[in-house]
Amino acid sequence: KQEVTQIPAALSVPEGENLVLNCSFTDSAIYNLQWFRQDPGKGLTSLLLIQSSQREQTSGRLNASLDKSSGRSTLYIAASQPGDSATYLCAVRRGTTDSWGKLQFGAGTQVVVTP
Amino acid sequence: SAVISQKPSRDICQRGTSLTIQCQVDSQVTMMFWYRQQPGQSLTLIATANQGSEATYESGFVIDKFPISRPNLTFSTLTVSNMSPEDSSIYLCSVEGFGTGTDTQYFGPGTRLTVL
Repeated sequence: KQEVTQIPAALSVPEGENLVLNCSFTDSAIYNLQWFRQDPGKGLTSLLLIQSSQREQTSGRLNASLDKSSGRSTLYIAASQPGDSATYLCAVRRGTTDSWGKLQFGAGTQVVVTP
Repeated sequence: SAVISQKPSRDICQRGTSLTIQCQVDSQVTMMFWYRQQPGQSLTLIATANQGSEATYESGFVIDKFPISRPNLTFSTLTVSNMSPEDSSIYLCSVEGFGTGTDTQYFGPGTRLTVL
C-alpha cells in the first residue's frame, strides 16, 4: 500500500530565505506527482505536476524535483515571501489502470514566512 | 484550467440529518472525484463519480452513507447521510481530463461541514 510522508510537518522561515519541502513515497510505481498549496479554510491550488518520466518541473520561483527510484520529491521555493505562507501538500498518482486519477496525499507541511 | 464551484461553501447541520453538496465545472471533464479532509488531517478519496452509472467507492466508504450522482460531464452531487459529529470535515470535489487532456487535477473550494 502506498504511503506518502511529508517532512517537516511545519516550517517557519524569515522572508527572503529559500524553502525546501520534502515528500517521500513507498511505492515507486507512480504515474505522476503533484504539489498543491492550501490556504486556511480554502480548497487546493495546483502548483506543479511532475510526470514519472520527468526529473523536475519549474514555474516561476517554484521548482520541484522527482527521484522515483528513491521515492522522493522536493519542492523548492526561492526567495520566500509572506504570501507563501500556507500548507503545501504532495500527492502521488498510481500507475495502474484501476486507480486512474486517484491521488494519495501526504499530511502536508505548514509553512509560515515571517516579514 | 477549469473553474469549479461548490455549494454550499459551509453549513452547520444537526445529527441525523443529510446534506447534499453540489459541484459544478465550467467545462466538460472526464473524471470527477470527491475527497474528505477531516480536521487537522490530509485529504482522503471517498469515491470516483461516474457519469451515468454508480460511483466507485474507496475502502471504508459506502453508497448508503455517501450517495453520489453525476448526471452529466459538468455536474456532480455528494450527499452525506444520517450525519454524526464524526462527519464534520471539509468535502472537496476535484476534476481531471478536459481541454488538452492534462493530467493535472483541479480542486473546488470545498464545503466546510460542521455536525452538532
